[in-house]
Amino acid sequence: ETGVTQTPRHLVMGMTNKKSLKCEQHLGHNAMYWYKQSAKKPLELMFVYSLEERVENNSVPSRFSPECPNSSHLFLHLHTLQPEDSALYLCASSHPTGQGIVDTQYFGPGTRLTVL
Amino acid sequence: GNSVTQMEGPVTLSEEAFLTINCTYTATGYPSLFWYVQYPGEGLQLLLKATKADDKGSNKGFEATYRKETTSFHLEKGSVQVSDSAVYFCALGVNTGGFKTIFGAGTRLFVKA
Repeated sequence: ETGVTQTPRHLVMGMTNKKSLKCEQHLGHNAMYWYKQSAKKPLELMFVYSLEERVENNSVPSRFSPECPNSSHLFLHLHTLQPEDSALYLCASSHPTGQGIVDTQYFGPGTRLTVL
Repeated sequence: GNSVTQMEGPVTLSEEAFLTINCTYTATGYPSLFWYVQYPGEGLQLLLKATKADDKGSNKGFEATYRKETTSFHLEKGSVQVSDSAVYFCALGVNTGGFKTIFGAGTRLFVKA
C-alpha cells in the first residue's frame, strides 16, 4: 500500500466514548500532521510531529490527544467529545527539505467523524 | 502575520470555459505557494506549486504564477472539464522555525456538461 492511509474512514461515537483515529504513511517522510476540516471553515491545523516529537499544538482541547510512536504512524485519541467536534479529520505527511523551503504535504482520505 | 485569501465560491462554469480562481497572500519572509485540490470523498492533493517569485507552477492544464509585487498566486485553466469539479485550496508555506502550511478557505468549482 502506498501513500497515506487513514482508518477508520467513518466513525460515529457518543459523547462518552473513547476512540482512536489511525494514520499511516508509506512515503518515508519524517513529519506528520493532523488537520480538522469543518463545513464552511478553513482547514485547521491541530498538531504537527517532526521526527516523532510534537512541534506544534494549536490550542487544541485536551479531549484530543495525539500520539506518534514512530515516523510512519500517527494516532489521534478521542474522549468525551462534543457534537461540534464532528468534522473530517485529515492526516498528512511531508519531508521538510531542510533548506528553508516548505515542502508538499501528502494527505490521507480522512476520517469522517460524527459525535452524537 | 501570514494569511491566505481566496475568492469565495461556488464557481459554476460550463465545460470548456476559462477558469480563474484568485488568491492573494500576506507573509513574512519568502514563502512557497501551493494549490491543492480536493475531489469528493478524498483528502487534499497537490495540484501545483512555486517556491520563488516569478516561478510558474503547472499541472494538468492548470497554471499559477508567483507574483511578489501583487502578492498573488491566481489559478487558471484555459478549458475546464467536468472532471475538474472539486474544491481548490490556495496555500502558503512558511518556515517560522517550524514548517507550516496555511490554507485558504477553499473555492468549490462545479463544471456543467
